[in-house]
Amino acid sequence: QKEVEQNSGPLSVPEGAIASLNCTYSDRGSQSFFWYRQYSGKSPELIMSIYSNGDKEDGRFTAQLNKASQYVSLLIRDSQPSDSATYLCAVKWDTGNQFYFGTGTSLTVIP
Amino acid sequence: EPEVTQTPSHQVTQMGQEVILRCVPISNHLYFYWYRQILGQKVEFLVSFYNNEISEKSEIFDDQFSVERPDGSNFTLKIRSTKLEDSAMYFCASRGQGARFFGPGTRLTVL
Repeated sequence: QKEVEQNSGPLSVPEGAIASLNCTYSDRGSQSFFWYRQYSGKSPELIMSIYSNGDKEDGRFTAQLNKASQYVSLLIRDSQPSDSATYLCAVKWDTGNQFYFGTGTSLTVIP
Repeated sequence: EPEVTQTPSHQVTQMGQEVILRCVPISNHLYFYWYRQILGQKVEFLVSFYNNEISEKSEIFDDQFSVERPDGSNFTLKIRSTKLEDSAMYFCASRGQGARFFGPGTRLTVL
């Protein structure tokens, strides 16, 4: 059974702080990992993908993957009020085409 | 920047009626998907489509659902006889080599 788990939050951080979002998943094996941002009533918007263990940085965003512990995280540095959204973790196992989404973590950045 | 488009943005229908949701994927993408998101719940995979046929479908995608690529640009999702529980946001997505890019969604309301 393939499951993707996220803390639904809400997570509140002050403007300028680091927001840390976590995601765990079941079922070892080859996977690809994606973080999406979803504003209320809008579609998921890709932030970044990560495929191998370690850190991957893109601007203010850093994705961290630890396959041994089966978790992937997203750090947002210098958080801005415009970062307030729900962050979706998605996992794709190589055995199929499906993306498995977590329920998302709601982030609020307080000015 | 190329994007996935969907029409209509909002569809209201009576229970038992047929609806067709339309999508125009990104032009050089070869993989197409439909997802749905019931209000307040996670994004759920419905079906993937490649090379003019369904490559994978979820348990949700039962005989009431069908997909077509009637021409070189459109990708449609048909629900034959809508039920109240079909009320949701329906997202189309397409993929080239990497992640899926989502359209803005169609909000389907079944009365």
